[in-house]
Amino acid sequence: GAGVSQSPSNKVTEKGKDVELRCDPISGHTALYWYRQSLGQGLEFLIYFQGNSAPDKSGLPSDRFSAERTGGSVSTLTIQRTQQEDSAVYLCASSDRDRAGNTIYFGEGSWLTVV
Amino acid sequence: GENVEQHPSTLSVQEGDSAVIKCTYSDSASNYFPWYKQELGKRPQLIIDIRSNVGEKKDQRIAVTLNKTAKHFSLHITETQPEDSAVYFCAASKAGSNSGYALNFGKGTSLLVTP
Repeated sequence: GAGVSQSPSNKVTEKGKDVELRCDPISGHTALYWYRQSLGQGLEFLIYFQGNSAPDKSGLPSDRFSAERTGGSVSTLTIQRTQQEDSAVYLCASSDRDRAGNTIYFGEGSWLTVV
Repeated sequence: GENVEQHPSTLSVQEGDSAVIKCTYSDSASNYFPWYKQELGKRPQLIIDIRSNVGEKKDQRIAVTLNKTAKHFSLHITETQPEDSAVYFCAASKAGSNSGYALNFGKGTSLLVTP
């Protein structure tokens, strides 16, 4: 596709419910990242996928968060038993041939509000 | 892990003046330093980047300088215009981590250019 595509763009959910956020990276990009941006805050690294290698999950804040990437393309970030502090914009990004200096392109983000 | 500090958190300048944003990083192995601009409600977008083998890079009104010895890098915007108003993020990444080339971001600088 022309860019990184994320869905939904906005999601309001009740505390305790599970949510799934989807990311479709730029075609051919092998590296995929998830970041979280709370209101007025910086960009917090969550998880990284590269090809068929095991993902780096070191940034996931708790075991309620998980992500998978099927077929080396589309990725889904799942948040179980959502809490109000999970409210944030979840940004997906991808880059081509994971190496230093390759531009990382961001999607528009999924704005999650937990009420 | 890498820790990126960014200052100032907010910056207000008059149109036509210069703006400087500074970042420091902790890991001397970091070798790639991009800057992203994020307009309100939009995705972060790369505006300029620099690699560790270069001390300075310029693109029209934007320049970035890197001091590897001191582990700091700066963004310089000259002849600022109202459309430069946005949040700017610095970032650093390095080879060899399990997170591939995941970017470690500073907390951002909110730049306001007043006419």
